[in-house]
Amino acid sequence: LAKTTQPISMDSYEGQEVNITCSHNNIATNDYITWYQQFPSQGPRFIIQGYKTKVTNEVASLFIPADRKSSTLSLPRVSLSDTAVYYCLVKGNTPLVFGKGTRLSVIA
Amino acid sequence: DAGVIQSPRHEVTEMGQEVTLRCKPISGHDYLFWYRQTMMRGLELLIYFNNNVPIDDSGMPEDRFSAKMPNASFSTLKIQPSEPRDSAVYFCASSTGTAYEKLFFGSGTQLSVL
Repeated sequence: LAKTTQPISMDSYEGQEVNITCSHNNIATNDYITWYQQFPSQGPRFIIQGYKTKVTNEVASLFIPADRKSSTLSLPRVSLSDTAVYYCLVKGNTPLVFGKGTRLSVIA
Repeated sequence: DAGVIQSPRHEVTEMGQEVTLRCKPISGHDYLFWYRQTMMRGLELLIYFNNNVPIDDSGMPEDRFSAKMPNASFSTLKIQPSEPRDSAVYFCASSTGTAYEKLFFGSGTQLSVL
């Protein structure tokens, strides 16, 4: 099962771009990289998924280099409402394993 | 769609009592997952079902915990007897087999065992 490593916490000011990097050195060929967002008192919410290169949706962008050993979630111009925990997951042969995630605090 | 529905939202009980948590998955989803979240351990997978059949319960802490899925629209997680260390937020999630990585979570049940 591919293990992921991401920073425990990050702080950012409103309006800045935030990049959260996750390392997954032993990712398998058929694994996808998935990011979830969790607000206080809510369950995690799927935000983006990718296999290689770049994926963009209305919430975030996901950058994956050619070797796929890491990935970067990019949140453009964050606001206070983006304060949450962000989880990076790599699908293996077992259901998704969530680590501690990265706690993002956006400051006014 | 109403999403994954969990009940109760909050549960306060005394040590030794039986606790039953309930979950209604999204219609058409054939996978159902139970997770537990605490500050110390983060989000842990307890058990998951596929087509109402338990596939992996290796995350269930001990015999005091049991889970059932009698039909495609309902699942329970039972703790008997409950202990203070069981206090946590319990989440239920569902997904389809073709979107295995995309889980839809309920709002969770905040359990406090006194």
